[in-house]
Amino acid sequence: QVQLVQSGAEVKKPGSSVKVSCKASGGTFSSYAISWVRQAPGQGLEWMGRIIPILGMPNYAQKFQGRVTITADKSTSTAYMELSSLRSEDTAVYYCARDYDSSGIIAFDIWGQGTMVTVSS
Amino acid sequence: DIQMTQSPSSLSASVGDRVTITCRASQSISSYLNWYQQKPGKAPKLLIYAASSLQSGVPSRFSGSGSGTDFTLTISSLQFEDFATYYCQQSYSTPETFGQGTKLEIK
Repeated sequence: QVQLVQSGAEVKKPGSSVKVSCKASGGTFSSYAISWVRQAPGQGLEWMGRIIPILGMPNYAQKFQGRVTITADKSTSTAYMELSSLRSEDTAVYYCARDYDSSGIIAFDIWGQGTMVTVSS
Repeated sequence: DIQMTQSPSSLSASVGDRVTITCRASQSISSYLNWYQQKPGKAPKLLIYAASSLQSGVPSRFSGSGSGTDFTLTISSLQFEDFATYYCQQSYSTPETFGQGTKLEIK
């Protein structure tokens, strides 16, 4: 079964960057898209963007354009999400999730365990 | 962006109750609607995709219906493990957006 394992918690200063990894095991990494979703403390879920590793072309939510970079390394079956110019509002749990395509309807069927990113001076 | 609005925001119910959660989209999204369950400190879990298809391994007491702008998630007979927060999500257009969540608590 496919599993997604994320890197550990991070504490960052305002204005810096963070890079979170998401390693897939047990499946064919390149053939499905990986999305990134974040959740601020006590808040709802927010989609940030996705990448299809076999194509290498990311798609970002406009809110994060210019600050987020999503990449994938097929050789290690790992996806990455880098967020720059961090501010306190970026404090959140960041999840990677696999896109499941059912006749063109995308759902997130497998999730990583989440990575807590804290932005604090 | 498509706005998703869930109601109620919170709900108290007892084991064995039948519960319905509603999700409304700000424009028509056909059947591009998914439901997730999230427990504290855990990642969301996919329950229903494409409005009414039960994800593999999810108990049959969960069901989804609707199309266009109005959708429902129904739990036919609440079990203790169902007390959690539920989110709807549209995948009709990017950015994929989620409802604000419905917290289901024990009465």
